[in-house]
Amino acid sequence: GAGVSQSPSNKVTEKGKDVELRCDPISGHTALYWYRQSLGQGLEFLIYFQGNSAPDKSGLPSDRFSAERTGGSVSTLTIQRTQQEDSAVYLCASSSRLAHQETQYFGPGTRLLVL
Amino acid sequence: GQQVMQIPQYQHVQEGEDFTTYCNSSTTLSNIQWYKQRPGGHPVFLIQLVKSGEVKKQKRLTFQFGEAKKNSSLHITATQTTDVGTYFCAGPPGGSNYKLTFGKGTLLTVNP
Repeated sequence: GAGVSQSPSNKVTEKGKDVELRCDPISGHTALYWYRQSLGQGLEFLIYFQGNSAPDKSGLPSDRFSAERTGGSVSTLTIQRTQQEDSAVYLCASSSRLAHQETQYFGPGTRLLVL
Repeated sequence: GQQVMQIPQYQHVQEGEDFTTYCNSSTTLSNIQWYKQRPGGHPVFLIQLVKSGEVKKQKRLTFQFGEAKKNSSLHITATQTTDVGTYFCAGPPGGSNYKLTFGKGTLLTVNP
């Protein structure tokens, strides 16, 4: 079946502009994660959605970052007033159950470059 | 907060040589997961270890979870060019049942 998809695959924007990144999780997966990966670094947890529960936003680096998940499926990560340090690959992952033991399936990521 | 350290950061080997990467957590982990990210790709789940002292094998890959559940290793026997990529370990910080803290990874390159 289809895996996790993300769009756009690449995004170049100017400093100060807003951007929206989209994630389509695997059908039926109730858990959805956003991570940020800077060049040569590991994955930085941003936010977690599980079903209809309140999301865990503890990883969002500033109030310029927000995310929504509509209908328990598609998620959008919004970065307002982008800064150059926001340049990174933004990865979305989904899993099928609440427990962390379940495999996280990653999408191909969105490569964001802020000029 | 929890820290997950991986060493080495980089490893270059000749094809056929063995490779090992080590992962150390500042806190005890309920489980540890390993992911592989090919150059330009996204992380792909390899395996999860749950039990103290657990050892699992996947063909030429051997994964170990330490007795204290604070460290882990991935060993590749007789590396091949297809093994190239960054290997990440990840574990849930204490009290969390869904977050994963990732190490910075070990980049493996293989000279044919």
